[in-house]
Amino acid sequence: GAVVSQHPSRVICKSGTSVKIECRSLDFQATTMFWYRQFPKKSLMLMATSNEGSKATYEQGVEKDKFLINHASLTLSTLTVTSAHPEDSSFYICSAKPSGGNTGELFFGEGSRLTVL
Amino acid sequence: AQSVAQPEDQVNVAEGNPLTVKCTYSVSGNPYLFWYVQYPNRGLQFLLKYITGDNLVKGSYGFEAEFNKSQTSFHLKKPSALVSDSALYFCAVRTLGFQKLVFGTGTRLLVSP
Repeated sequence: GAVVSQHPSRVICKSGTSVKIECRSLDFQATTMFWYRQFPKKSLMLMATSNEGSKATYEQGVEKDKFLINHASLTLSTLTVTSAHPEDSSFYICSAKPSGGNTGELFFGEGSRLTVL
Repeated sequence: AQSVAQPEDQVNVAEGNPLTVKCTYSVSGNPYLFWYVQYPNRGLQFLLKYITGDNLVKGSYGFEAEFNKSQTSFHLKKPSALVSDSALYFCAVRTLGFQKLVFGTGTRLLVSP
């Protein structure tokens, strides 16, 4: 089956630093990837839609300058949390949509737990 | 606008008993419906989907779901629950041409021995 690798699975950083999270589709090409943030009460919040070779589309209320998304290839999207603050601590999950076809499910990475001290 | 409702925050069931996790949806057009499961500190795993055809969809780990257009529901079911089924379950919907999946708030399933 389709595999999405997300790295790192856990990261701890100091306030004010930047952290990059990678999302790779290992055995398929993904024109579109999605980044979610999951809050402690479990709900998933879509942050942005990442399109290969173009700018990401951010959801309302998500700061694009704080959460930088790059989708430079058909198998890799990155999320960079810039100038991280403790309130950015969360579980971030990426998902990928295989290129071609329009009815299929999304495949999810294992998530990245970010803790900002 | 698309939306999904999972009315139960938590479902408790004894091992061996049947389980149902409820989901209702609202879309314009024909829905594509999905169920995902999440274990602690893990990503989401795909369980099953309804695109078209038979209203009863069978998926992974013995789960199935029934699409009911008149009730706009897509409840997840399993005839006999296992303790290992304890996890967080998400229902999601999208429509043709709309790439984003809209998720419900999730239902925590707790299966007791």
